Amino acid sequence: EAEVAQSPRYKITEKSQAVAFWCDPISGHATLYWYRQILGQGPELLVQFQDESVVDDSQLPKDRFSAERLKGVDSTLKIQPAELGDSAMYLCASSPHFEGEQYFGPGTRLTVT
Amino acid sequence: AQKITQTQPGMFVQEKEAVTLDCTYDTSDPSYGLFWYKQPSSGEMIFLIYQGSYDQQNATEGRYSLNFQKARKSANLVISASQLGDSAMYFCAMRVMGNQGGKLIFGQGTELSVKP
Repeated sequence: EAEVAQSPRYKITEKSQAVAFWCDPISGHATLYWYRQILGQGPELLVQFQDESVVDDSQLPKDRFSAERLKGVDSTLKIQPAELGDSAMYLCASSPHFEGEQYFGPGTRLTVT
Repeated sequence: AQKITQTQPGMFVQEKEAVTLDCTYDTSDPSYGLFWYKQPSSGEMIFLIYQGSYDQQNATEGRYSLNFQKARKSANLVISASQLGDSAMYFCAMRVMGNQGGKLIFGQGTELSVKP
């Protein structure tokens, strides 16, 4: 069964360093989402792509976060510089289209020290 | 504004018994979908069940059923015959159509513990 892949699964970094996460959606899925889940809370959308275009990045802290999906397939989320408050689980999800079911990857658990 | 509320931070249930996890939602949009996800300690979000706002019948998936009460804006998850493997965080989520782009809005979650 096809799955959403994410790497790394765990990342520990020092504050002020740069960090990047990678997501490979299920083949053929046009819509890709990055969510951030702070411990004890539900996930919140950071950015949504439709193919290679950004549909919604209203909650993305653009001074330090960036996201790209250059060829409309895999995607990278970057944080530079990382802050202590960025410690969270970063979840990637994909969907055949924006009204379809979202399939989540295993997540990247980030700890900023 | 769209919002999901889960008022039970934690729930306990005896193995083999049924349990209901509460979820209320707020939206003025007539077209929306409601989802329940399970999140084990490993972190992945596992889709359980979906209910569309225009669906006439309550959704069911195996041991999971969704008690959809549109007038009360509630979408409670019922798990029948609880198993030890059901111990996890459970999230209710809503997707509003139209301009929202399909993003999911999640509640705070309920931690379910199944006792042997």
